[in-house]
Amino acid sequence: AQSVTQLDSQVPVFEEAPVELRCNYSSSVSVYLFWYVQYPNQGLQLLLKYLSGSTLVKGINGFEAEFNKSQTSFHLRKPSVHISDTAEYFCAVSDGGYQKVTFGTGTKLQVIP
Amino acid sequence: GAGVSQTPSNKVTEKGKYVELRCDPISGHTALYWYRQSLGQGPEFLIYFQGTGAADDSGLPNDRFFAVRPEGSVSTLKIQRTERGDSAVYLCASSLNAGVGNEQFFGPGTRLTVL
Repeated sequence: AQSVTQLDSQVPVFEEAPVELRCNYSSSVSVYLFWYVQYPNQGLQLLLKYLSGSTLVKGINGFEAEFNKSQTSFHLRKPSVHISDTAEYFCAVSDGGYQKVTFGTGTKLQVIP
Repeated sequence: GAGVSQTPSNKVTEKGKYVELRCDPISGHTALYWYRQSLGQGPEFLIYFQGTGAADDSGLPNDRFFAVRPEGSVSTLKIQRTERGDSAVYLCASSLNAGVGNEQFFGPGTRLTVL
């Protein structure tokens, strides 16, 4: 069975500072990994995904994530955050097929001016 | 173009009542998914359609929950004899097809409150 652990429920960070949101996964087979963002009162939006190939994945809005198989991690990073990045971020895993996706519990990123 | 839409945006009902939640996927998307997001949790998979058929309903919590997609487009999630524990945001998503590389596009959700 696949699962995702997001260790931090909330992460406060000052504007223009770097941020890392942590995600660890478990899966018995090959994995596909995703980060979604949910802005207040909006639907989930895909930030980036890892399917295969390069372990460093770049997404929208300057975010990137690195797939680390040995550590079973897929941490999300941004070198300099903006107020508009304030949102909840969900890490998710799929073991393939039709994208039956298992989500983590989310990390609320609060950017402080 | 139009995204995934869900109606109603909010639904308040009393315990024991029946509710229907509607999802309009992006035109041309053959795959449709329902998720439930409880407070403080991530979305939880409920059911997935490929075309008109439910390809996997293993996430439905019990037989009070049922979903249909009769014409392969709009889908309705039906909940009978609602309970307070059913209160959550119900999310719908669609993708071009069911392949793993196809992004799921999410709707804004329906917030269901059972009093």
